[in-house]
Amino acid sequence: DADVTQTPRNRITKTGKRIMLECSQTKGHDRMYWYRQDPGLGLQLIYYSFDVKDINKGEISDGYSVSRQAQAKFSLSLESAIPNQTALYFCATSPGTPVGAGELFFGEGSRLTVL
Amino acid sequence: ILNVEQSPQSLHVQEGDSTNFTCSFPSSNFYALHWYRWETAKSPEALFVMTLNGDEKKKGRISATLNTKEGYSYLYIKGSQPEDSATYLCAPLGGQNFVFGPGTRLSVLP
Repeated sequence: DADVTQTPRNRITKTGKRIMLECSQTKGHDRMYWYRQDPGLGLQLIYYSFDVKDINKGEISDGYSVSRQAQAKFSLSLESAIPNQTALYFCATSPGTPVGAGELFFGEGSRLTVL
Repeated sequence: ILNVEQSPQSLHVQEGDSTNFTCSFPSSNFYALHWYRWETAKSPEALFVMTLNGDEKKKGRISATLNTKEGYSYLYIKGSQPEDSATYLCAPLGGQNFVFGPGTRLSVLP
């Protein structure tokens, strides 16, 4: 079983619908992240959380919100989906320490299509 | 936010060829640099974690070097094999979070 699990893996929805992508991890890491990947671009950081009570905006947070329900769970919401949010979304975790040396562990990705 | 560049954007090599690609980034506020390998239909996986100027890492036929003073890292693949086909992402750490480059897409032809 994957250490970082994302659901759903694929979703097609319509403009204006509310969508939630969920991420759970069994690695015991404090740090969790949501990234978005578009063709030709690097992974862009949407939101990140360094512990249960910590939520921070990333580079491209507009139109998204997150909830850190527990150490192991970090969900991403699109309150009103729009077509340019069509992308591949990755959840990732990291041990965080030592600084810079904690690699990121990625989920399998969630492909979202907004029509 | 760091501006991270990778070159080339993509390349095709023959099995057995050696190749290398570059990641460049602003050299100030540097803490670490990671290389990730991302195969099609899979998740990115860490290849190397580099934290010091002059760092050299090696894993089998793949190696990487880091020059923080001039702001670049090289990834080398010796004797490329078809299973090396993937996108290679570099991610310098500036501030609290990693900034990913756009990746180099490598195709190794048998």
